Amino acid sequence: DVKVTQSSRYLVKRTGEKVFLECVQDMDHENMFWYRQDPGLGLRLIYFSYDVKMKEKGDIPEGYSVSREKKERFSLILESASTNQTSMYLCASSLSRVGSYGYTFGSGTRLTVV
Amino acid sequence: GESVGLHLPTLSVQEGDNSIINCAYSNSASDYFIWYKQESGKGPQFIIDIRSNMDKRQGQRVTVLLNKTVKHLSLQIAATQPGDSAVYFCAENAQTGGFKTIFGAGTRLFVKA
Repeated sequence: DVKVTQSSRYLVKRTGEKVFLECVQDMDHENMFWYRQDPGLGLRLIYFSYDVKMKEKGDIPEGYSVSREKKERFSLILESASTNQTSMYLCASSLSRVGSYGYTFGSGTRLTVV
Repeated sequence: GESVGLHLPTLSVQEGDNSIINCAYSNSASDYFIWYKQESGKGPQFIIDIRSNMDKRQGQRVTVLLNKTVKHLSLQIAATQPGDSAVYFCAENAQTGGFKTIFGAGTRLFVKA
């Protein structure tokens, strides 16, 4: 069974902390994505990567960075966590860079910044 | 899909009835559409997709209808079961003009036993 695995289901962090969210996929997909999900707003794209060491900004990259050192791993970094970054974070991978075959999502990380 | 504000629309159906969940999409250039199901505490799960050269596609107990004239997408679930209770949302993708997938905010489906 193919999988996208996010390392943490729940995280509580303090304002100003540096936060790392890890994501691993076993489908050999080149394309990986980080979204945040907030009630009533749908999924919003933070960053995506279409190859190792490649990254592109999504719709809401401010306050975030990413790292893709290996094909299977895509990390989201909150440089200095703030309360408005409290959210559900979803990692996804895809066969297609342009979403032509849909996404496989992880189970999500619910981050609370206090 | 359109944002519908802070509160998700809710659909409540009796077990065994058919469910219809609607989605208005925003980009007339969108040519690929997906329905996802998200159960509580889980990530979204692909249900069914449809391309713009089709107006209907059927899966197991699910049917997606596409009306490009009014930019409307619907998901029909036959013989709804308690396990179908979840948030359902649509996604639209336009392969022309650059990469862009837009997700709708979703509809919460409650199935009453």
